[in-house]
Amino acid sequence: GNSVTQMEGPVTLSEEAFLTINCTYTATGYPSLFWYVQYPGEGLQLLLKATKADDKGSNKGFEATYRKETTSFHLEKGSVQVSDSAVYFCALIRYGGSQGNLIFGKGTKLSVKP
Amino acid sequence: EAGVTQFPSHSVIEKGQTVTLRCDPISGHDNLYWYRRVMGKEIKFLLHFVKESKQDESGMPNNRFLAERTGGTYSTLKVQPAELEDSGVYFCASSQVVKGGTGELFFGEGSRLTVL
Repeated sequence: GNSVTQMEGPVTLSEEAFLTINCTYTATGYPSLFWYVQYPGEGLQLLLKATKADDKGSNKGFEATYRKETTSFHLEKGSVQVSDSAVYFCALIRYGGSQGNLIFGKGTKLSVKP
Repeated sequence: EAGVTQFPSHSVIEKGQTVTLRCDPISGHDNLYWYRRVMGKEIKFLLHFVKESKQDESGMPNNRFLAERTGGTYSTLKVQPAELEDSGVYFCASSQVVKGGTGELFFGEGSRLTVL
C-alpha cells in the first residue's frame, strides 16, 4: 500500500542550525509529494510540494527534492529560526488518486531555541 | 478573508454519547475534506465532498460516523455512539476546484475529541 515514514521527533535545534527532517515513502507509480507545517494554534499549511522525480520544492528557505531512486523527500533548511518551531508533516497523493486524499506521515515536532 | 473554521475546538464526552463537529470552509471552496489524527498515529483521510455530494468516503471507519454538507456550504461530522477509539483530532480542509485537478488544501485548526 501507500505510506509515508518520517523521522521521529521531537527535534530540538539552536537558532541558525541546519535542519534535516527525513521522509521516505512507499507508493506505486509516481506520487506527488508534499510537506505541510502546523504552527502552534493554527491549521496545517502547505509548505512546499513536488510532483515528479528530481523536482525541488522550496518555500521560506526550506527545500525538498523528490528522489525516486531512494523514494525520499527530505526537508532541509540551512539556518532555522525560532519562528520555525512547528510540527512538520510529509505527505503524498498517489498517482491517479483523488487530489485531496493525502497520505500523511506521523509528523515531526521541531523546537528551535534562541 | 476568513480561513477554515471548526467548532468546537475541544469536546469531552462519555462513551456512548453523540458528538457533532462542524466545519465552515473558505467561502467559494467547493471541495471539503475531513481528516482524523488518532494519538500517535498518522493523519488519516476520512472523506471528500464536492459541494453537497460525497465524492470519496473510503476513509470513513464505520457507520457510527455520518458526514453531511447540506446546501454545499458548511459540513458536520456526527459520531454516534462515540467509542473510546474515536478520540483524536478531527481536521477539516477545503480547496477550490481548478482546471486539471484540485487547488491547495487549506486546513482548519482541528476539533479535539476526547471520549471517556
